[in-house]
Amino acid sequence: QKEVEQDPGPLSVPEGAIVSLNCTYSNSAFQYFMWYRQYSRKGPELLMYTYSSGNKEDGRFTAQVDKSSKYISLFIRDSQPSDSATYLCAMSTGYSSASKIIFGSGTRLSIRP
Amino acid sequence: DADVTQTPRNRITKTGKRIMLECSQTKGHDRMYWYRQDPGLGLRLIYYSFDVKDINKGEISDGYSVSRQAQAKFSLSLESAIPNQTALYFCATSDLGHNTDTQYFGPGTRLTVL
Repeated sequence: QKEVEQDPGPLSVPEGAIVSLNCTYSNSAFQYFMWYRQYSRKGPELLMYTYSSGNKEDGRFTAQVDKSSKYISLFIRDSQPSDSATYLCAMSTGYSSASKIIFGSGTRLSIRP
Repeated sequence: DADVTQTPRNRITKTGKRIMLECSQTKGHDRMYWYRQDPGLGLRLIYYSFDVKDINKGEISDGYSVSRQAQAKFSLSLESAIPNQTALYFCATSDLGHNTDTQYFGPGTRLTVL
């Protein structure tokens, strides 16, 4: 079983829809949770990060962490064609030099105009 | 200018050849990483370095070696390339702060081994 599981999609939604992207994980020691966005032929770029449980909002994006269920989500409101990309969740224990980031396999998202 | 650069961006080579992928960064970060990305498998860590004198194997280091020539430079070598090393390779950097370890990626090198 992978430490981090993510549905690969592809997910196709119409412009303006609310998008929900999700990951589950097995390691209860993870404390830092990140979402990266990767456009075609580009490297991943950090979109959002959260510490421990709760929600974090940044513009049209909301990251949600439920540590009790080992489940994280990224919501995109008023989705735009420019949001079409692969979204990777990532997480780490955050303990100094032992910290390594574990990535999900990514969900490919397409926003239809 | 990009903070993390990788050369070459694309490379086609033959089985058995030695290949070096190079990464340079201007972010001043101590930590550097090499990942490969394959469809359905996501990003997998090959090697990482927390400073010039520190090199560590990642999840899939067999068949690869690295060199940290300076704080800003981290090279990945395939001593004898094989077809299943065909993948997209990314270099990344990070700077530990506030107990987070977010990473900054280069644009990637697409490697094809025939």
